[in-house]
Amino acid sequence: QSALTQPPSASGSSGQSVTISCTGTSSDVGYSNYVSWFQQHPGKAPKLLISEVNKRPSGVPDRFSGSKSGNTATLTVSGLQADDEADYYCCSYAGSSTFVFGSGTRVTVI
Amino acid sequence: EVQLVESGGGLVEPGGSLRLSCEAFGFTVSGYSMNWVRQTPGKGLEWIAYINGGGDTTYYAESVLGRFTISRDKAHNELLLQMNSLRVADTAIYYCARDLIGISAYWGQGSLVTVSS
Repeated sequence: QSALTQPPSASGSSGQSVTISCTGTSSDVGYSNYVSWFQQHPGKAPKLLISEVNKRPSGVPDRFSGSKSGNTATLTVSGLQADDEADYYCCSYAGSSTFVFGSGTRVTVI
Repeated sequence: EVQLVESGGGLVEPGGSLRLSCEAFGFTVSGYSMNWVRQTPGKGLEWIAYINGGGDTTYYAESVLGRFTISRDKAHNELLLQMNSLRVADTAIYYCARDLIGISAYWGQGSLVTVSS
């Protein structure tokens, strides 16, 4: 199973928006609506931001939103803040209780 | 409060074995699907193993199939990962994760496994 494709880096000024894509195939991202996004700060465990394409768990600000079209899922971070500087990973169900992660995107707040 | 605490990592020689534990607090592991995910230092995340809530169904990534075994210890409310025939390429931080892609997804803090001679 190949990793989902994400841009290695993305950046934006404080208060602006940044969009991260996650491209897979019809066997994973395009297969179902089970796509999640995780945020990981250096030395910390990943934290769930978005599940099932666009659902936010309690405690996650509505500045974080998700969508999907075909084989590509997208995470948008609006109103960038300094603490949003982190690595972001998508994760997709790939059938038969297997999963595949994206290659990761480092977000820098300028 | 939900917590997952991994232990059992360390330094092991190629070909050796290691068992990781992940103790759960604030919930019962048998009520959720559970997973092991690893992260190579400086690199990305790789899903490696899944066990369902009933504990009777498991799946593995090809990279660990036949060498790693995921299981649960209900008495101690723990998730386990038995790792045999370890390779240098298995060097990584190993995370246990609850409900990996669901709304209740939660990860432990990770346990470092180093395979080196």
